Amino acid sequence: RKEVEQDPGPFNVPEGATVAFNCTYSNSASQSFFWYRQDCRKEPKLLMSVYSSGNEDGRFTAQLNRASQYISLLIRDSKLSDSATYLCVVNDNNDMRFGAGTRLTVKP
Amino acid sequence: ETGVTQTPRHLVMGMTNKKSLKCEQHLGHNAMYWYKQSAKKPLELMFVYSLEERVENNSVPSRFSPECPNSSHLFLHLHTLQPEDSALYLCASSQGAQPGNYGYTFGSGTRLTVV
Repeated sequence: RKEVEQDPGPFNVPEGATVAFNCTYSNSASQSFFWYRQDCRKEPKLLMSVYSSGNEDGRFTAQLNRASQYISLLIRDSKLSDSATYLCVVNDNNDMRFGAGTRLTVKP
Repeated sequence: ETGVTQTPRHLVMGMTNKKSLKCEQHLGHNAMYWYKQSAKKPLELMFVYSLEERVENNSVPSRFSPECPNSSHLFLHLHTLQPEDSALYLCASSQGAQPGNYGYTFGSGTRLTVV
């Protein structure tokens, strides 16, 4: 089993749609979690941390489910500019484990 | 200049060449990292430097050799690479050696092609 697993997609959605990605992780003792965004041929950039109680940043909502060992990212009112690959990152004692990413394409 | 800068952005090298990748961070971070990103694969950690001390990933072939002369600069020296080493090489930095607290800041990467 992969340590951090994501559906590679691609997810193709129309503008304005709501889309959600999940990411599962294997180590129940993982301490912290992040979502990164990576545009084509660019570097990953931190999108948001994921807090135990869930957190929201504008159109983006991140959730953590420790019992089922997954995190999620919800994007509301999708914009064309949201098209990117979304990387899930799980912290195991400062050993950061990356998922392979979920590709999102938002279409007009 | 701010953030993490990497040079060159693109590099094509033959299998017998020697080249170096450079990374510089202006964030006051004291941990720096080299990652390899191959198509459709997770980022692979290659090397970690914390306070200029190396924490080595033993699975990295010796044809990759890191150097960290100070907390702001990191190099990756390359020699006798193989075509399968073609990838995006990303440098990152973090506050302390605790990326689990605040995450990484990545450089824009060097896209390496070995011919």
